[in-house]
Amino acid sequence: QVQLQESGPGLVKPSQTLSLTCTVSGGSISSGSYYWSWIRQPAGKGLEWIGRIYTSGSTNYNPSLKSRVTISADTSKNQFSLKLISVTAADTAVYYCARVDPVLFGSNWYFDLWGRGTLVTVSS
Amino acid sequence: QSALTQPRSVSGSPGQSVTISCTGTSSDVGGYNYVSWYQHHPGKAPKLMIYDVTKRPSGVPDRFSGSKSGKTASLTISGLQAEDEADYYCFSYAGSYIFGVFGGGTKLTVL
Repeated sequence: QVQLQESGPGLVKPSQTLSLTCTVSGGSISSGSYYWSWIRQPAGKGLEWIGRIYTSGSTNYNPSLKSRVTISADTSKNQFSLKLISVTAADTAVYYCARVDPVLFGSNWYFDLWGRGTLVTVSS
Repeated sequence: QSALTQPRSVSGSPGQSVTISCTGTSSDVGGYNYVSWYQHHPGKAPKLMIYDVTKRPSGVPDRFSGSKSGKTASLTISGLQAEDEADYYCFSYAGSYIFGVFGGGTKLTVL
């Protein structure tokens, strides 16, 4: 049974870089044809798709965050990561990692597996 | 890109039916049949409940159904149960530039 778990600092200072890791257990991130995504939810607000990385290593990003976001994968550790630079208080949110299985669902846009999320607060 | 519009809250008694709407534009909900719905109990991982507007993943009860008319997608939950109390989010593909957008979320209260 594949599971996702987010990890990283819970507190980041303004203007610094937010770095999170999603560890995938029970399956390999480099096998199959999956998209591995990051999604966030600011307090009291809805979800926002941040971006994703495909098994091949190609990436797509939300245009509103594209200039500040990098998503990468470390297949040796079975992890994928999120880096968000120049953070402000508006980046305070619960961050989720999620999987898309286009083979199972016939589309590149259904998040069939999620982590429980990790809260990141941007504050000095 | 604005979030899809959902009612902030809906409620219903056990056994009743409720419908949650998700309104977008011709660039997302109205333009594609790639709408999905997610159930989220706070503190837990969100769960895919509906995809392709109307389809249910394996294991999701048939009390959950989806539909779409024009720019508005809907999630209907019939035979409400206490465990259905959760936040519900819609998501729509929005083309090869925006990619995708979520709704603002709806809190379902089972009275």
